Amino acid sequence: DAGVIQSPRHEVTEMGQEVTLRCKPISGHDYLFWYRQTMMRGLELLIYFNNNVPIDDSGMPEDRFSAKMPNASFSTLKIQPSEPRDSAVYFCASRSSGARFNEQFFGPGTRLTVL
Amino acid sequence: SQQGEEDPQALSIQEGENATMNCSYKTSINNLQWYRQNSGRGLVHLILIRSNEREKHSGRLRVTLDTSKKSSSLLITASRAADTASYFCARGQRGSEKLVFGKGTKLTVNP
Repeated sequence: DAGVIQSPRHEVTEMGQEVTLRCKPISGHDYLFWYRQTMMRGLELLIYFNNNVPIDDSGMPEDRFSAKMPNASFSTLKIQPSEPRDSAVYFCASRSSGARFNEQFFGPGTRLTVL
Repeated sequence: SQQGEEDPQALSIQEGENATMNCSYKTSINNLQWYRQNSGRGLVHLILIRSNEREKHSGRLRVTLDTSKKSSSLLITASRAADTASYFCARGQRGSEKLVFGKGTKLTVNP
Protein backbone atom coordinates (compact mmCIF):
# COMPACT_ATOMS: atom_id res chain seq x y z
CA ASP A 1 0.00 0.00 0.00
CA ALA A 2 1.27 3.48 -0.84
CA GLY A 3 0.16 4.96 2.45
CA VAL A 4 -1.63 8.27 2.80
CA ILE A 5 -0.90 10.51 -0.16
CA GLN A 6 -0.98 14.28 0.03
CA SER A 7 -0.50 16.90 -2.65
CA PRO A 8 1.08 19.25 -3.18
CA ARG A 9 4.03 18.69 -0.85
CA HIS A 10 4.86 22.39 -0.87
CA GLU A 11 2.67 25.37 -1.68
CA VAL A 12 3.69 29.00 -1.74
CA THR A 13 0.96 31.51 -2.39
CA GLU A 14 0.14 35.13 -1.83
CA MET A 15 -2.28 36.46 0.71
CA GLY A 16 -5.83 36.44 -0.58
CA GLN A 17 -5.39 33.50 -2.92
CA GLU A 18 -7.36 30.29 -2.69
CA VAL A 19 -5.43 27.22 -1.59
CA THR A 20 -6.58 23.61 -2.03
CA LEU A 21 -4.84 20.75 -0.30
CA ARG A 22 -5.53 17.18 -1.33
CA CYS A 23 -5.47 13.84 0.42
CA LYS A 24 -5.91 10.23 -0.60
CA PRO A 25 -6.35 7.98 2.45
CA ILE A 26 -5.24 4.39 2.70
CA SER A 27 -7.65 2.14 0.84
CA GLY A 28 -10.22 0.63 3.18
CA HIS A 29 -9.78 3.21 5.93
CA ASP A 30 -13.07 4.77 6.96
CA TYR A 31 -11.75 7.64 9.07
CA LEU A 32 -9.92 10.65 7.70
CA PHE A 33 -8.38 13.46 9.74
CA TRP A 34 -6.95 16.87 8.83
CA TYR A 35 -4.35 18.39 11.15
CA ARG A 36 -2.33 21.60 11.17
CA GLN A 37 1.13 21.79 12.73
CA THR A 38 2.89 24.99 13.76
CA MET A 39 5.73 25.69 16.15
CA MET A 40 3.51 27.84 18.34
CA ARG A 41 0.45 25.63 18.62
CA GLY A 42 1.79 22.16 17.86
CA LEU A 43 -0.42 19.64 16.09
CA GLU A 44 -4.08 20.62 16.01
CA LEU A 45 -7.00 18.57 14.72
CA LEU A 46 -9.04 20.61 12.26
CA ILE A 47 -11.76 18.19 11.18
CA TYR A 48 -12.40 14.50 10.79
CA PHE A 49 -14.67 12.37 8.63
CA ASN A 50 -16.20 8.94 9.06
CA ASN A 51 -17.43 7.19 5.94
CA ASN A 52 -17.09 10.48 4.04
CA VAL A 53 -19.30 12.37 6.51
CA PRO A 54 -17.83 15.24 8.57
CA ILE A 55 -18.14 14.28 12.24
CA ASP A 56 -16.35 17.05 14.10
CA ASP A 57 -15.21 20.33 12.57
CA SER A 58 -14.81 22.20 15.83
CA GLY A 59 -11.10 22.66 15.13
CA MET A 60 -11.61 24.53 11.89
CA PRO A 61 -10.29 27.99 12.71
CA GLU A 62 -12.81 30.08 10.80
CA ASP A 63 -15.10 30.22 7.81
CA ARG A 64 -12.18 30.66 5.46
CA PHE A 65 -11.45 26.97 5.97
CA SER A 66 -13.59 24.24 4.43
CA ALA A 67 -13.13 20.51 3.91
CA LYS A 68 -14.89 17.98 1.77
CA MET A 69 -14.76 14.26 1.20
CA PRO A 70 -16.71 13.48 -1.96
CA ASN A 71 -15.77 9.79 -1.88
CA ALA A 72 -13.85 7.28 0.19
CA SER A 73 -10.58 7.88 -1.62
CA PHE A 74 -10.32 11.65 -1.76
CA SER A 75 -10.57 14.67 0.49
CA THR A 76 -9.76 18.35 0.11
CA LEU A 77 -9.01 21.15 2.55
CA LYS A 78 -9.60 24.58 1.09
CA ILE A 79 -8.56 27.96 2.43
CA GLN A 80 -10.17 30.98 0.83
CA PRO A 81 -8.87 33.64 1.15
CA SER A 82 -5.53 32.61 2.56
CA GLU A 83 -3.66 34.72 5.12
CA PRO A 84 -0.02 34.68 6.28
CA ARG A 85 -1.06 33.20 9.64
CA ASP A 86 -2.30 30.11 7.78
CA SER A 87 1.32 29.20 7.04
CA ALA A 88 1.87 25.76 8.55
CA VAL A 89 2.28 22.10 7.69
CA TYR A 90 -1.04 20.43 7.03
CA PHE A 91 -1.30 16.69 7.60
CA CYS A 92 -3.91 14.23 6.54
CA ALA A 93 -4.26 10.95 8.44
CA SER A 94 -6.51 7.94 8.11
CA ARG A 95 -7.41 4.90 10.10
CA SER A 96 -9.64 1.88 9.98
CA SER A 97 -12.35 1.32 12.56
CA GLY A 98 -11.68 -2.38 12.23
CA ALA A 99 -8.04 -2.11 13.20
CA ARG A 100 -6.86 -3.79 16.35
CA PHE A 101 -5.24 -0.57 17.56
CA ASN A 102 -6.75 2.78 16.73
CA GLU A 103 -3.53 4.17 15.41
CA GLN A 104 -3.67 6.85 12.77
CA PHE A 105 -1.55 6.73 9.63
CA PHE A 106 -0.20 10.10 8.58
CA GLY A 107 0.66 11.44 5.17
CA PRO A 108 3.89 13.34 4.52
CA GLY A 109 2.18 16.70 4.89
CA THR A 110 1.81 19.83 2.78
CA ARG A 111 3.99 22.77 3.78
CA LEU A 112 1.98 25.92 3.09
CA THR A 113 3.58 29.34 2.98
CA VAL A 114 1.33 32.35 2.55
CA LEU A 115 3.25 35.52 1.70
CA SER B 1 -6.92 23.27 27.04
CA GLN B 2 -6.92 19.50 26.78
CA GLN B 3 -3.33 19.52 25.69
CA GLY B 4 -0.87 18.17 28.16
CA GLU B 5 2.80 18.73 28.21
CA GLU B 6 5.76 16.69 27.16
CA ASP B 7 9.01 17.17 28.92
CA PRO B 8 11.69 17.79 28.29
CA GLN B 9 11.10 19.92 25.19
CA ALA B 10 14.50 18.84 23.92
CA LEU B 11 16.85 16.05 24.89
CA SER B 12 20.37 15.38 23.64
CA ILE B 13 22.14 12.12 24.51
CA GLN B 14 24.94 9.89 23.29
CA GLU B 15 24.39 6.74 21.31
CA GLY B 16 23.88 3.77 23.60
CA GLU B 17 22.29 5.80 26.40
CA ASN B 18 18.65 5.52 27.37
CA ALA B 19 16.20 8.31 26.58
CA THR B 20 13.17 9.03 28.75
CA MET B 21 10.39 11.35 27.68
CA ASN B 22 7.40 12.25 29.80
CA CYS B 23 3.85 13.25 29.02
CA SER B 24 1.29 14.75 31.37
CA TYR B 25 -2.36 15.37 30.62
CA LYS B 26 -5.37 16.98 32.26
CA THR B 27 -8.52 15.10 31.26
CA SER B 28 -9.38 11.42 31.57
CA ILE B 29 -8.25 9.18 28.75
CA ASN B 30 -9.22 5.93 27.06
CA ASN B 31 -5.75 5.31 25.73
CA LEU B 32 -2.46 7.07 25.21
CA GLN B 33 -0.37 6.74 22.09
CA TRP B 34 3.19 7.70 21.23
CA TYR B 35 4.19 8.86 17.78
CA ARG B 36 7.51 9.69 16.19
CA GLN B 37 8.17 12.39 13.60
CA ASN B 38 11.34 12.62 11.61
CA SER B 39 12.22 16.06 10.30
CA GLY B 40 10.04 16.99 7.33
CA ARG B 41 7.93 13.85 7.57
CA GLY B 42 4.55 12.77 8.88
CA LEU B 43 4.00 11.13 12.24
CA VAL B 44 4.46 7.40 12.68
CA HIS B 45 2.67 5.42 15.37
CA LEU B 46 4.97 3.69 17.85
CA ILE B 47 2.90 2.21 20.64
CA LEU B 48 -0.48 2.45 22.35
CA ILE B 49 -1.26 1.86 26.02
CA ARG B 50 -4.82 1.57 27.28
CA SER B 51 -6.07 3.29 30.41
CA ASN B 52 -6.28 -0.03 32.29
CA GLU B 53 -2.67 -0.93 31.49
CA ARG B 54 0.38 0.19 33.40
CA GLU B 55 3.26 -0.84 31.18
CA LYS B 56 3.90 -2.01 27.63
CA HIS B 57 6.98 -3.01 25.72
CA SER B 58 7.79 -3.03 22.04
CA GLY B 59 11.35 -3.79 21.06
CA ARG B 60 13.54 -1.09 22.62
CA LEU B 61 10.49 0.94 23.65
CA ARG B 62 8.89 0.84 27.07
CA VAL B 63 5.82 2.88 27.91
CA THR B 64 4.34 3.38 31.35
CA LEU B 65 1.06 4.96 32.33
CA ASP B 66 0.03 6.30 35.71
CA THR B 67 -3.59 7.40 35.51
CA SER B 68 -3.60 8.63 39.12
CA LYS B 69 -0.89 11.11 38.22
CA LYS B 70 -2.19 11.61 34.69
CA SER B 71 1.22 10.95 33.25
CA SER B 72 3.03 8.61 30.89
CA SER B 73 6.63 8.02 30.01
CA LEU B 74 8.38 6.64 26.95
CA LEU B 75 11.75 4.99 27.44
CA ILE B 76 14.00 4.21 24.49
CA THR B 77 16.80 1.90 25.53
CA ALA B 78 20.22 1.65 23.90
CA SER B 79 19.52 4.64 21.69
CA ARG B 80 20.86 4.93 18.15
CA ALA B 81 21.56 7.93 15.97
CA ALA B 82 18.58 6.84 13.85
CA ASP B 83 16.30 7.46 16.85
CA THR B 84 16.84 11.20 16.37
CA ALA B 85 13.35 12.61 15.87
CA SER B 86 10.52 14.37 17.68
CA TYR B 87 8.30 12.23 19.87
CA PHE B 88 4.68 13.07 20.63
CA CYS B 89 2.17 11.66 23.02
CA ALA B 90 -1.46 11.67 21.96
CA ARG B 91 -4.43 11.21 24.25
CA GLY B 92 -7.43 9.25 23.07
CA GLN B 93 -10.74 9.80 24.81
CA ARG B 94 -13.65 7.45 25.28
CA GLY B 95 -16.43 7.91 22.78
CA SER B 96 -14.35 10.05 20.46
CA GLU B 97 -12.01 9.43 17.58
CA LYS B 98 -10.05 12.54 18.44
CA LEU B 99 -6.42 12.36 19.46
CA VAL B 100 -5.03 15.34 21.37
CA PHE B 101 -1.33 15.76 20.74
CA GLY B 102 1.26 17.43 22.91
CA LYS B 103 3.98 19.65 21.48
CA GLY B 104 6.56 16.91 21.54
CA THR B 105 10.07 16.20 22.72
CA LYS B 106 12.88 16.72 20.24
CA LEU B 107 15.41 13.94 20.77
CA THR B 108 18.93 14.13 19.37
CA VAL B 109 21.12 11.05 19.62
CA ASN B 110 24.75 11.89 18.96
CA PRO B 111 26.90 9.17 17.36
